[in-house]
Amino acid sequence: AQKITQTQPGMFVQEKEAVTLDCTYDTSDPSYGLFWYKQPSSGEMIFLIYQGSYDQQNATEGRYSLNFQKARKSANLVISASQLGDSAMYFCAMRESREYGNKLVFGAGTILRVKS
Amino acid sequence: KAGVTQTPRYLIKTRGQQVTLSCSPISGHRSVSWYQQTPGQGLQFLFEYFSETQRNKGNFPGRFSGRQFSNSRSEMNVSTLELGDSALYLCASSLSRDTGELFFGEGSRLTVL
Repeated sequence: AQKITQTQPGMFVQEKEAVTLDCTYDTSDPSYGLFWYKQPSSGEMIFLIYQGSYDQQNATEGRYSLNFQKARKSANLVISASQLGDSAMYFCAMRESREYGNKLVFGAGTILRVKS
Repeated sequence: KAGVTQTPRYLIKTRGQQVTLSCSPISGHRSVSWYQQTPGQGLQFLFEYFSETQRNKGNFPGRFSGRQFSNSRSEMNVSTLELGDSALYLCASSLSRDTGELFFGEGSRLTVL
């Protein structure tokens, strides 16, 4: 079974609107971490936001927030007030505590295009 | 503060050759991990180094190897290159092994002809 599933291969959003990128995960480990990264066409992976499985509140970083629904095993990324510069590939990733360290499993990604 | 630096950024090799890629982590970061990104397989974990010791290894053949130096800089080596090794190789660094922040470099794009 896929550990990280991103069901939206591509998304369009109008500039200044909010957009939600979906991510579901599969793990039996009670301790895990969830990451979101942005990858522009240049190739660099830009860290956006992190959510630990025991964190009580949803993580937020500026215009980015993570809608963490533990029972549903989902960790959707919400980008508010989209900007043209948000056009990129977005990856959801997970680290399980049994693996420890910085071994991340990535989803297939979602391409986001912001329209003016 | 300088980010993660990877060199070279682009390189072209032929089948059978070997290649060495370098990664300088963010100052103070002790954990370095490597990932391979291809259109077909996506992002896959290669290995992780911490305090000069390999701590985790992904499901790659022995042709893929790496090491970490005392200053936390890391290198990875791929021997006997195959066409399928063409990929973007990304290095990531973090302060420790269980932090919530893992920062990537711009990657080294390898083309094997």
